[in-house]
Amino acid sequence: AQKITQTQPGMFVQEKEAVTLDCTYDTSDPSYGLFWYKQPSSGEMIFLIYQGSYDQQNATEGRYSLNFQKARKSANLVISASQLGDSAMYFCAMRAQGAQKLVFGQGTRLTINP
Amino acid sequence: KAGVTQTPRYLIKTRGQQVTLSCSPISGHRSVSWYQQTPGQGLQFLFEYFSETQRNKGNFPGRFSGRQFSNSRSEMNVSTLELGDSALYLCASSSDRSGVNTEAFFGQGTRLTVV
Repeated sequence: AQKITQTQPGMFVQEKEAVTLDCTYDTSDPSYGLFWYKQPSSGEMIFLIYQGSYDQQNATEGRYSLNFQKARKSANLVISASQLGDSAMYFCAMRAQGAQKLVFGQGTRLTINP
Repeated sequence: KAGVTQTPRYLIKTRGQQVTLSCSPISGHRSVSWYQQTPGQGLQFLFEYFSETQRNKGNFPGRFSGRQFSNSRSEMNVSTLELGDSALYLCASSSDRSGVNTEAFFGQGTRLTVV
C-alpha cells in the first residue's frame, strides 16, 4: 500500500521568503511518480510539479522545485520568492506504475503574510 | 483547450435522496477519476473510468457508482444520501498513457451538502 505523510498542517511565511513544504512517502513499488498540487479556496486542484522515481535530477518548474531524496523517501516542495497568491492548501500525491489512482497526503495550509 | 468541467458547482440535498454529478474531461482524455474530499478523511479515491469501463475502485460503499459515456464524459451517482456524504467531489482527467508521470488535471469540484 502507498502512503503519503505531510507533517505540517499549517505554515506562515513572509512574502518574498522561500518556503519548504515537507512530504514523505511509503511504497513498495519500484516505479512511482510524485506530484504536488495547489488548492486555492476555490477548490480546484492545480498541478505544480512532478518527480519520477527514476529521475536523477530534482524537478523544477519556475519558482517551484522538488527536493527528492529517494533513500529517505522524501519529496519536499520548495517555493522560492513566495507571493501573496501562493496562499493555499498544498498536497503531495503519489501514483504507482500502471495506475491512475493518486494517493494524497493530508495537505499543508500555507499562508503568505505581506 | 478547455479544462475539466464539473457541474453543478454546488448542491444541497436531503438525507435519503440521490444525486448525480457530471464531469467533462479535457478533449482527448479518456481516463476520468473521481475523488471525495472531506475535512476529516482528506482526499480519497472513488473510482476511475477508461473508455467506458471502470478500471479501479476505491473503498466506498455500493451507494457510490459511476459511468462513462462514449464521449468520455463521466457521471457519478450517490444513492440514499447520508450526512457524511457532504464533501467536495473532484473529477480528474488524464491522457490514456498509463505511465507514472501521467498528469491528472482536476476540475473545480462539486460541493455537495446533505442536510
